[in-house]
Amino acid sequence: DAMVIQNPRYQVTQFGKPVTLSCSQTLNHNVMYWYQQKSSQAPKLLFHYYDKDFNNEADTPDNFQSRRPNTSFCFLDIRSPGLGDAAMYLCATSARFGYEQYFGPGTRLTVT
Amino acid sequence: AQTVTQSQPEMSVQEAETVTLSCTYDTSENNYYLFWYKQPPSRQMILVIRQEAYKQQNATENRFSVNFQKAAKSFSLKISDSQLGDTAMYFCALNSGNTPLVFGKGTRLSVIA
Repeated sequence: DAMVIQNPRYQVTQFGKPVTLSCSQTLNHNVMYWYQQKSSQAPKLLFHYYDKDFNNEADTPDNFQSRRPNTSFCFLDIRSPGLGDAAMYLCATSARFGYEQYFGPGTRLTVT
Repeated sequence: AQTVTQSQPEMSVQEAETVTLSCTYDTSENNYYLFWYKQPPSRQMILVIRQEAYKQQNATENRFSVNFQKAAKSFSLKISDSQLGDTAMYFCALNSGNTPLVFGKGTRLSVIA
C-alpha cells in the first residue's frame, strides 16, 4: 500500500545533541510537510517542500532545518534540541496544495 | 488570513448515538477545501472526509457526513451510530490557494459504552 513512513517512531536525545528524523513516501506526492504537535494541540507547521522548493514558516526556530534529497525522502534536523522541543513530529504529503494531506505515524521525540 | 474555529474542546456520546462536531472558518478565497481529520489516541492522523467549496452537495463517507453551509462559513461533522473506535481528537482544517492547511484546535470525542 502507498504510504508515509516515519523513522524512528520513538527517539530519545540529550539536551543539545543533534537529532535527525526521517520521512519517506511511496505516494509520489509533490509536497511534503513537517509538523510539530504537542499534547492535545493541533499540529503546527514547521516547513514544507513543493518539489525542491523549501518554504519555512515565519515562526519556525532556526534550530530546525530540513532536507529533501529526492521526491521520496525528507529529513528534519534539530541542531540543538531543548526541553521545549519534546513533541510528536508528523510528516505529511499531498499531491498538490489544496489536496488532502496524508500523514505518517509520527516520531515522538523525548529530550533528556 | 484564514482561520478555523472549533468551539467544542470536548464532547461525549453514547455508543450507537449520533453526535455533531462544529467548525466555523474564515477565508477570502472563493475556491477552497475543507477537511475533517481524526487522530485516535497514540495513533496516526487520518482523513475522515473532504468537501470542495464549489460543490453544494454535502460530502458523505459511510457513517460520517458533513453539513456545509458556505454562506455561514460553517462545516460541521455528523457521526451516526457512534462506535467505540470513533474515540479520537477530531480536527477541522481549511486549505485554499497555495497555502498549507490551517487546523482548528480540535475536539476530543469520547464514545461511551
